[in-house]
Amino acid sequence: QVQLVQSGAEVGRPGASVRVSCRTSGYTFSDHYIHWVRQSPGQGLEWVGWSSSDSAGTNYAQKFQGRVTMTRDTSIKTAYMELSGLTSDDTAVYFCARGGYSTSWYILDYWGQGTRVIVSS
Amino acid sequence: SNEVTQPPTLSVSPGQTARITCSGHNLGHRFVCWYQQRPGQSPQLVFYQDTRRPSGVPERFSGSTSGDTATLTITGTQAMDEADYFCQTWDSTTVRFGGGTKLTVL
Repeated sequence: QVQLVQSGAEVGRPGASVRVSCRTSGYTFSDHYIHWVRQSPGQGLEWVGWSSSDSAGTNYAQKFQGRVTMTRDTSIKTAYMELSGLTSDDTAVYFCARGGYSTSWYILDYWGQGTRVIVSS
Repeated sequence: SNEVTQPPTLSVSPGQTARITCSGHNLGHRFVCWYQQRPGQSPQLVFYQDTRRPSGVPERFSGSTSGDTATLTITGTQAMDEADYFCQTWDSTTVRFGGGTKLTVL
């Protein structure tokens, strides 16, 4: 069965960077985008961006451009999201989610359990 | 405007029909997806591409679109349906979520 398992909670200092991983199984990793979505405390869902294994590369929400980097290691079927220049506004739960196959890339059909990132000095 | 608007809250009694709306410019030009998020859990896809329901999602969940408004309908709402619901739209390369609707079943 399809599974996405994320790394554990992180605490980052203001101005620092944090990296979250998303280990996948149960499907062909290279056939699907991995999306990243965050949820600030008590708030809604905010799309951060996606990464792919093909020439499409990555695409980030304008708000995060210049601060976020999404990468993938196909050999271990794991995706990563690194966010730099942390501020208190980045305190949130970060989810990875699988995009649907091919032209259904925008359908987030399986989700990870979420990783809590706390920004604190 | 790129905003996608949902009512913040909706309350229904058990057994009633809940209709959660999602509005946005040109929303009707793209398929809309719907996600359910129970407290402390990850979101779960419950409806997509106008007529499709993932395996395991009860038949009481359905969706429709009219003009620039999409609607998730829960027929015969049950206590277990109490959750936050998010609509999601997309364009050629990006994704956008609505603000979410907290459904209370009481």
